[in-house]
Amino acid sequence: TQLLEQSPQFLSIQEGENLTVYCNSSSVFSSLQWYRQEPGEGPVLLVTVVTGGEVKKLKRLTFQFGDARKDSSLHITAAQPGDTGLYLCAGRGAGSYQLTFGKGTKLSVIP
Amino acid sequence: KAGVTQTPRYLIKTRGQQVTLSCSPISGHRSVSWYQQTPGQGLQFLFEYFSETQRNKGNFPGRFSGRQFSNSRSEMNVSTLELGDSALYLCASSPAPATGIRARPQETQYFGPGTRLLVL
Repeated sequence: TQLLEQSPQFLSIQEGENLTVYCNSSSVFSSLQWYRQEPGEGPVLLVTVVTGGEVKKLKRLTFQFGDARKDSSLHITAAQPGDTGLYLCAGRGAGSYQLTFGKGTKLSVIP
Repeated sequence: KAGVTQTPRYLIKTRGQQVTLSCSPISGHRSVSWYQQTPGQGLQFLFEYFSETQRNKGNFPGRFSGRQFSNSRSEMNVSTLELGDSALYLCASSPAPATGIRARPQETQYFGPGTRLLVL
């Protein structure tokens, strides 16, 4: 069974601060995705990373896939209240390509 | 294009009852996957249907079943409900298979808003 550990579980920061969310596993993934979920809604895909060491930027969000494809991080620069939500990482295992989700990081950005 | 729709959005049942949830995928999408989301366990994969066939199944008891129709709409059924079945049930659609060896690593799934089930 492939597991993804996300940290921190909860994060409350002031508007304008920077933050990093981590997603770690002992398993290798063929790809890793990050989602954001808002209350009452389903998760919305932010990015997919496929290559070890890959870095992708989406405005103030920077995503990195570890060289060994076992871990990933999400860095948000100058957080805004609109960034508030539950951030989920999800990895696709080799062969089954079934998505395994982390339990999420609940981010609150205070104005 | 309309997104993934799920009905009903909220449901209250009692232990021992059964429930059927419905999911309409994005037009043209042939894959529908179902997930259970709880605060303790997070999002867990239930099963995927593609072209009316179940492709993969997660680690859930046989009380959880599903099916897919020729128009790609899918239903999920839970029989003999238990208190622990209280959760947000999400479905996700994609144009191509989302699991298995034919699935691309970068395949994108689009999630619906979910059905919140409360079992009393």
